[in-house]
Amino acid sequence: EPEVTQTPSHQVTQMGQEVILRCVPISNHLYFYWYRQILGQKVEFLVSFYNNEISEKSEIFDDQFSVERPDGSNFTLKIRSTKLEDSAMYFCASSDQGAVQETQYFGPGTRLLVL
Amino acid sequence: AQSVTQLDSQVPVFEEAPVELRCNYSSSVSVYLFWYVQYPNQGLQLLLKYLSGSTLVKGINGFEAEFNKSQTSFHLRKPSVHISDTAEYFCAVINSGNTGKLIFGQGTTLQVKP
Repeated sequence: EPEVTQTPSHQVTQMGQEVILRCVPISNHLYFYWYRQILGQKVEFLVSFYNNEISEKSEIFDDQFSVERPDGSNFTLKIRSTKLEDSAMYFCASSDQGAVQETQYFGPGTRLLVL
Repeated sequence: AQSVTQLDSQVPVFEEAPVELRCNYSSSVSVYLFWYVQYPNQGLQLLLKYLSGSTLVKGINGFEAEFNKSQTSFHLRKPSVHISDTAEYFCAVINSGNTGKLIFGQGTTLQVKP
């Protein structure tokens, strides 16, 4: 069964450094999402992406964050200058048609620790 | 704005016992409702979803949930749990008019004991 993959599974970085989290969505999916979960808190929506554009973003998704689909398979989340509070589990998801009732398929997550 | 509350952070239960994981939501507009499960070291996997129609929804692995509009609830149930059901369970909603932003509850850890 097709699945969403994410790399790396764990990343440790120093405050102020740039990190890129990578995701490979399911191959025929057109809609892509990033969510994050700070330890002990809810899973929170960050951004949705379709047709090489951001469809919607949350207040969390400020100028330090960016997303890109650099080629036909990868979907990346970049944090330009990491802060301690960016430490979280980051989940990528994808869906086929993008209709709100469509199932979003999630990857296993990247655990980011900012020191 | 929508919000989701999962009242129980942890639910311990013995194998073969029934279980109910509670979920309440708040919204001023129509929503679609979802339950996701996360097994250790895996991504979130859809268990079931309610879009419309029958309020009792059946999902994978023997789980079911009932949508109750008057109580704004979407509780997840299973009549007999297995050790393999030990996982984190997330209730989520989507505003039926928006672009696919899932709003999650805090999650409930189901611990099935032998």
